[in-house]
Amino acid sequence: GESVGLHLPTLSVQEGDNSIINCAYSNSASDYFIWYKQESGKGPQFIIDIRSNMDKRQGQRVTVLLNKTVKHLSLQIAATQPGDSAVYFCAEKTGGGNKLTFGTGTQLKVEL
Amino acid sequence: EPEVTQTPSHQVTQMGQEVILRCVPISNHLYFYWYRQILGQKVEFLVSFYNNEISEKSEIFDDQFSVERPDGSNFTLKIRSTKLEDSAMYFCASRDPTAETQYFGPGTRLLVL
Repeated sequence: GESVGLHLPTLSVQEGDNSIINCAYSNSASDYFIWYKQESGKGPQFIIDIRSNMDKRQGQRVTVLLNKTVKHLSLQIAATQPGDSAVYFCAEKTGGGNKLTFGTGTQLKVEL
Repeated sequence: EPEVTQTPSHQVTQMGQEVILRCVPISNHLYFYWYRQILGQKVEFLVSFYNNEISEKSEIFDDQFSVERPDGSNFTLKIRSTKLEDSAMYFCASRDPTAETQYFGPGTRLLVL
């Protein structure tokens, strides 16, 4: 049958390898960025965030890098585990506005 | 750890019927949001709510939609006359006034027949 909706880019990694998920954001005035993990049938789960006055922030096994020059955001996951398999979304917030604008998402598949 | 909760988890309704989706935000949060996600698509912003009024809304959030905080704990989204294209996952989110992070609930899957 005909498929509808977005075709998600997919990243396949071996268990234990590092993963890098990339995101291009749209608005150069965005001042806050956030990564969410979404497992099938569940809501977005907060992973890590970063403000525009920083270019790197580290959490537990995760690092977010921000390159404002090229409007690029990346999420690095160290020692990827099967439980990391999910869709990962980046989102941006612009100025005083409340809303988050989400990216397309990347499907991460961890192979044993 | 405090969580945003949503009820029901699934709702099936007939086109033209009214639905109310319910959310209990995290208790000390003061900013509340609704987003939706059509199957296989991006998460889209609908509306934000603070101090008992709408602070921002998207073009999706037309006159058929309304939000309310009827008491100190619940936050609701009402769709007055549902359309087929309203079928989606609806997510509630909330935010602490001192931070930027929005925390999402598990969603309500709405199917309009």
